[in-house]
Amino acid sequence: EVQLVASGGDLVQPGGSLRLSCAASGFSLRNHWMHWVRQTPGKGLVWVSRVKSDGRTTWYADSVKGRFAVSRDDAKNTMYLEMNSLRVEDTAVYYCARDATWAGAAMDVWGQGTTVTVS
Amino acid sequence: DIVMTQSPLSLPVTPGEPASISCRSSESLRSTNGDYYLDWYLQKPGQSPQLLIYLSSNRASGVPDRFSGSGSGTDFTLKISRVEAEDVGVYYCMQGLQHPLTFGGGTKVEIK
Repeated sequence: EVQLVASGGDLVQPGGSLRLSCAASGFSLRNHWMHWVRQTPGKGLVWVSRVKSDGRTTWYADSVKGRFAVSRDDAKNTMYLEMNSLRVEDTAVYYCARDATWAGAAMDVWGQGTTVTVS
Repeated sequence: DIVMTQSPLSLPVTPGEPASISCRSSESLRSTNGDYYLDWYLQKPGQSPQLLIYLSSNRASGVPDRFSGSGSGTDFTLKISRVEAEDVGVYYCMQGLQHPLTFGGGTKVEIK
């Protein structure tokens, strides 16, 4: 079964750091582009970042550029979101999602989300 | 950045009746290959978003055929031919043409 499991969310103080994980099963991250999307409580979806299947080419929303970084461990088939210099406004549920690749930038598989609280 | 505007904000629907959601982009979403990079997602209460429609008019795997997408340029529509109780939730459009990818503000569909 194709699945994404996000984890690592926690309560952290402003200025702190956190690393989110997204474990993939049923497919290889080496064959897919991937996304991080976040959702503030009661609000809409906001795209955060995208990483190409090569694991090196990345794009970020301006609001996180220079503070967040995506990486990948192919042996563990896991993607990470390193979050530094966290701000109160980074508080959100963070979803990882698979890029369908054959369908523009459509995200066809989503993780369950992990909650980050900066306070 | 491409701005995505959805309407209405809220949509009360009667089961068995049709429903329609509009999404407008600030720039054309036509790619150089002719596809329109516009996708639709549904986020049911307490769940992660799920892909409904990709590239403007293609149903994702497992999506019932009562859902259809249409549109071109900057104007797109999601239609539900006959709403069912399980269709409640918030619907989002998203442009995938250029970074940063951007979502519409969402349309909350609820049963009357």
